Amino acid sequence: DGGITQSPKYLFRKEGQNVTLSCEQNLNHDAMYWYRQDPGQGLRLIYYSQIVNDFQKGDIAEGYSVSREKKESFPLTVTSAQKNPTAFYLCASSTVSQETQYFGPGTRLLVL
Amino acid sequence: GESVGLHLPTLSVQEGDNSIINCAYSNSASDYFIWYKQESGKGPQFIIDIRSNMDKRQGQRVTVLLNKTVKHLSLQIAATQPGDSAVYFCAERIINDYKLSFGAGTTVTVRA
Repeated sequence: DGGITQSPKYLFRKEGQNVTLSCEQNLNHDAMYWYRQDPGQGLRLIYYSQIVNDFQKGDIAEGYSVSREKKESFPLTVTSAQKNPTAFYLCASSTVSQETQYFGPGTRLLVL
Repeated sequence: GESVGLHLPTLSVQEGDNSIINCAYSNSASDYFIWYKQESGKGPQFIIDIRSNMDKRQGQRVTVLLNKTVKHLSLQIAATQPGDSAVYFCAERIINDYKLSFGAGTTVTVRA
């Protein structure tokens, strides 16, 4: 069963705490992406990675960090520097030759 | 992105009628376009895509039309069903760039 998985489905963050969102894909895709979605809005790009051990900032990278140590995995850390982290976070992946991005089910982050 | 003049944030459709969802894109250098469907609390799902060297592409019950002259994209859904109720996003990709730029989305509600 191929696809993109994200965990957890819901995540609660306390003030000043860093939290990490998981994204795994078994589609053998080279590129992976993290987006943030706020109510009634489109998707905004946080970070993306075209290849293992390399990643680039998107439009709203401040307060976030990522790593790409394995092709299958692209975890996102929401740091305490992100002052408004409450949102729906979506991970996506794509091949180099096919531009279509395929999305995971998302993680909803809430602040306690 | 989407221009306010052409984009309707909501669309109410009678079951069985055809739906037309519009999207105006901003960059004349965009060469690839995708329509996604997002149901509540889930990740976006790929519907159909089109390249800039085409002006029409058909899928199962869906048709995408591209008018490069006025930078306009539309998604037509034939015989709309209750399961078509969702938010629909268009996305554009600028040539030679991995990133997608998403519009704000149109919420489609199907009336029984």
